[in-house]
Amino acid sequence: EPEVTQTPSHQVTQMGQEVILRCVPISNHLYFYWYRQILGQKVEFLVSFYNNEISEKSEIFDDQFSVERPDGSNFTLKIRSTKLEDSAMYFCASSDWSSGTEAFFGQGTRLTVV
Amino acid sequence: GIQVEQSPPDLILQEGANSTLRCNFSDSVNNLQWFHQNPWGQLINLFYIPSGTKQNGRLSATTVATERYSLLYISSSQTTDSGVYFCAVDTGRRALTFGSGTRLQVQP
Repeated sequence: EPEVTQTPSHQVTQMGQEVILRCVPISNHLYFYWYRQILGQKVEFLVSFYNNEISEKSEIFDDQFSVERPDGSNFTLKIRSTKLEDSAMYFCASSDWSSGTEAFFGQGTRLTVV
Repeated sequence: GIQVEQSPPDLILQEGANSTLRCNFSDSVNNLQWFHQNPWGQLINLFYIPSGTKQNGRLSATTVATERYSLLYISSSQTTDSGVYFCAVDTGRRALTFGSGTRLQVQP
């Protein structure tokens, strides 16, 4: 069964460093998303991406965040200068227009900023 | 924005028991999904159910869109059902809003 894959599964970075989280969405899906979950809290929407541009973004998705689809299979989230409060689980998801809006999530990348 | 409330926040069951989890939402939705977050943090899709009733094994879900709630039923619970159950809704923006979840613990 097709699935969304994310790498790495866990990343530790120093405060102020840039990180790139990577995702391979399901191959025939057109919409891509990033969500985050701070430990013990609910999952929060960050951004959606369609047709090579941002479709929606939340207040959390400020100038330190950016997304890119560098090639036909990968989708990335970049955090330019990490802060301690960026420590969270980051989930990538994708959905296909023809199957409604059901989103399928990857296994997550746990980001720890020290 | 839309509000999503889940109840109960915590639930402890003995293996074999049945349970009902509830999700209330404050506006019309075109997508409602139920997820199970396992102990490793993975979000597992359970149901895509903006309206109607679906069943998958011991799990079933019902969404009454006109009354803005959804129910997730777990029958004959097993220890592997433990984890957090999230309801998430979308009003058409393709941005899921998650509830705070129900933490389920099934004891042997």
